[in-house]
Amino acid sequence: AQSVTQPDIHITVSEGASLELRCNYSYGATPYLFWYVQSPGQGLQLLLKYFSGDTLVQGIKGFEAEFKRSQSSFNLRKPSVHWSDAAEYFCASNTGGFKTIFGAGTRLFVKA
Amino acid sequence: GAVVSQHPSWVICKSGTSVKIECRSLDFQATTMFWYRQFPKQSLMLMATSNEGSKATYEQGVEKDKFLINHASLTLSTLTVTSAHPEDSSFYICSARGGGQGSQETQYFGPGTRLLVL
Repeated sequence: AQSVTQPDIHITVSEGASLELRCNYSYGATPYLFWYVQSPGQGLQLLLKYFSGDTLVQGIKGFEAEFKRSQSSFNLRKPSVHWSDAAEYFCASNTGGFKTIFGAGTRLFVKA
Repeated sequence: GAVVSQHPSWVICKSGTSVKIECRSLDFQATTMFWYRQFPKQSLMLMATSNEGSKATYEQGVEKDKFLINHASLTLSTLTVTSAHPEDSSFYICSARGGGQGSQETQYFGPGTRLLVL
């Protein structure tokens, strides 16, 4: 069955430091992959998506993600974190059906 | 583009009353809309999927008679929580996806509705 795993429940990074949020998917073929961000009390905002082609995807707010088929991963990265990046991040996948599967989320804390 | 709105953003109601939440796609036609429920510090739980003009498809364990979903137009879906009880208090989020084939269309999310049942 299709699943999305975000191994880290929460991560703390210093402002200005680099960030990597992990995401692994479980599916036989390559799914469509997404990263969303949710600020407290808000809905989800799409950061970036991967469908095919270049495995390094650029998104909004300086985020990027790299699809690695061999590792079944789609990790989210940012070279320099800002305090405003503190939020909950969700990885999601869709395999061609109607349903999008979400990971459990990773909460990012940014310390000054 | 691809903006989804929800109304109201928060609502407090008495136990036993019904509450209607609206979800609108403002700048695109949403052939499919989704309703999620999110508990504190948890991921989104899909409640149901609705296609314009047809009955919603509910996920296992979601009561159809309690959570009424209507998708009467390509830009509007409503979720009505009937006879709400305190355990229905939650954060409800809708999302919308445009037309076209396959699943490449991205889901765009509304800002959510916080429901508190007293």
